[in-house]
Amino acid sequence: DVKVTQSSRYLVKRTGEKVFLECVQDMDHENMFWYRQDPGLGLRLIYFSYDVKMKEKGDIPEGYSVSREKKERFSLILESASTNQTSMYLCASSLSSGGWVTEAFFGQGTRLTVV
Amino acid sequence: SQQGEEDPQALSIQEGENATMNCSYKTSINNLQWYRQNSGRGLVHLILIRSNEREKHSGRLRVTLDTSKKSSSLLITASRAADTASYFCATDARAGNQFYFGTGTSLTVIP
Repeated sequence: DVKVTQSSRYLVKRTGEKVFLECVQDMDHENMFWYRQDPGLGLRLIYFSYDVKMKEKGDIPEGYSVSREKKERFSLILESASTNQTSMYLCASSLSSGGWVTEAFFGQGTRLTVV
Repeated sequence: SQQGEEDPQALSIQEGENATMNCSYKTSINNLQWYRQNSGRGLVHLILIRSNEREKHSGRLRVTLDTSKKSSSLLITASRAADTASYFCATDARAGNQFYFGTGTSLTVIP
């Protein structure tokens, strides 16, 4: 059974803290993604990676960075957490298939609250 | 942003009825996907339709794609209470392997 695992379901952090959200997939997928989901705004792409050590900005990268040192792991970093980063964070992975997008597999989500 | 838009935002129907939700997008695509999300959970892939396809079926799901109108619809037939969830469309409007989600339709199926 394919699996994308996010390190925490719920997280509470203080303003100004550096926050690490970890995501691991066991499907040998090339592509990995971080989205945030807010009511009325849907899912917005923060960053994605199509290979080890490669990263591309999505629509809302400000205040975030990412790290992909190994194929199976994609980390989202909040350099200095702020209250407007309180959100549900979703990690996903997908296979590369000759340039075609394939289905994405999602983790269970991390609900982050910044106080 | 390439984000699509689902319509309606919310839909409430009786069990056994059909549910139809629509997705509109802005630019040319290679394919379009539909996902389902149960409350507080990650998304689950339902169906993918390529730009050269007009209709696709999977069990009780029927997806249509009209590239001239830049729109897609998802029909769930004979709905069940367990179909209660949010439904999202996703498009790969840009070059590369990323894709962009709409704002979702919240479906409630009343037993």
